[in-house]
Amino acid sequence: QKEVEQDPGPLSVPEGAIVSLNCTYSNSAFQYFMWYRQYSRKGPELLMYTYSSGNKEDGRFTAQVDKSSKYISLFIRDSQPSDSATYLCAMSEFDYGQNFVFGPGTRLSVLP
Amino acid sequence: NAGVTQTPKFQVLKTGQSMTLQCAQDMNHNSMYWYRQDPGMGLRLIYYSASEGTTDKGEVPNGYNVSRLNKREFSLRLESAAPSQTSVYFCASSPTGSEAFFGQGTRLTVV
Repeated sequence: QKEVEQDPGPLSVPEGAIVSLNCTYSNSAFQYFMWYRQYSRKGPELLMYTYSSGNKEDGRFTAQVDKSSKYISLFIRDSQPSDSATYLCAMSEFDYGQNFVFGPGTRLSVLP
Repeated sequence: NAGVTQTPKFQVLKTGQSMTLQCAQDMNHNSMYWYRQDPGMGLRLIYYSASEGTTDKGEVPNGYNVSRLNKREFSLRLESAAPSQTSVYFCASSPTGSEAFFGQGTRLTVV
């Protein structure tokens, strides 16, 4: 079993839909959780960063962490064609980079 | 503000050839990283540097060497390229561990 699992997709939704992207993990010591967006042939860019359990909202994006279930989610409201990208979850036990573990990514297409 | 700059963007090597991937950041970050990205595997850490003069192995260091030349530059060297090293390589930097800034990537093919 991989340490971080993520639905590979691809996921296709119509413009305006609510999108739910999910990751599960096995290491209960993880406490820092991140979502990155990666456009085709580009480097990943940080979207959301959360510490421990709970919700965090930033515009149309909401990140949820449920440590008891070892499950994190990214919700995108009113999805736009410009949201079409691969979304990577990442998590870490400590707040420094060599311990990051990335999921394989979910490819999202938002159709006009 | 350029951020993280990687060169080259594309490279084709023959098995056994060597090459160095260059990375430079202009954000005055202490930490720098080299990752490789393969389909279905996610990003995997090759090497990490917490500061100038220090480097540490990541998850997949075999076949690679690194140099943290100064605070700005972190290079990755393949001494004898193998087809298994065909991948997309990303350099990243961060002021703290959580907020990593990535370069555009180098697409390497080893034939």
